[in-house]
Amino acid sequence: DTGVSQDPRHKITKRGQNVTFRCDPISEHNRLYWYRQTLGQGPEFLTYFQNEAQLEKSRLLSDRFSAERPKGSFSTLEIQRTEQGDSAMYLCASSLGSGGEYEQYFGPGTRLTVT
Amino acid sequence: RKEVEQDPGPFNVPEGATVAFNCTYSNSASQSFFWYRQDCRKEPKLLMSVYSSGNEDGRFTAQLNRASQYISLLIRDSKLSDSATYLCVVIKINDYKLSFGAGTTVTVRA
Repeated sequence: DTGVSQDPRHKITKRGQNVTFRCDPISEHNRLYWYRQTLGQGPEFLTYFQNEAQLEKSRLLSDRFSAERPKGSFSTLEIQRTEQGDSAMYLCASSLGSGGEYEQYFGPGTRLTVT
Repeated sequence: RKEVEQDPGPFNVPEGATVAFNCTYSNSASQSFFWYRQDCRKEPKLLMSVYSSGNEDGRFTAQLNRASQYISLLIRDSKLSDSATYLCVVIKINDYKLSFGAGTTVTVRA
């Protein structure tokens, strides 16, 4: 399977703990995006990478959140001192270029539950 | 006001029926428009792009009305497999972020 992969698929953690998620994009895609989706809502943009450069961060991404894409391939999203409000599906997407003409392909997501 | 708004439904229709629903967007600078499909607890997948002239893909027809800032999706001859949440998505000019509506749920019953 050469699609976007994410790990883990599910994570249950206690409030205050740190968690890290990994995304492996489609290999030739140099654009990578993180979105967050809560129940009953559509995904919301969190951050965007072009190669290894993080070009935009949403206001949703508080100081407790950090994302990296060190070699322009896989990306990690870390949440420090998790809160119950962080419970959501974290979706990663990748594309060959930016803009409406390039489809963003989504991974299966990491479902985070903070207890 | 949310950037993209959709009727949440649910639309509960029998097999073979036609179902249609709309989405409105608030930012007139929106340039690209899409319908994504999301099955329960799965990732969103692109269903179709929406072009100014309207476009069809098999049983699916999408329309764009820029003057009134709305997009529509029509599904003809509904199949059980069409049961899903349909997400309306827009991208602003010179941007790359997908702005999603909350989704419209469609359930097709036998």
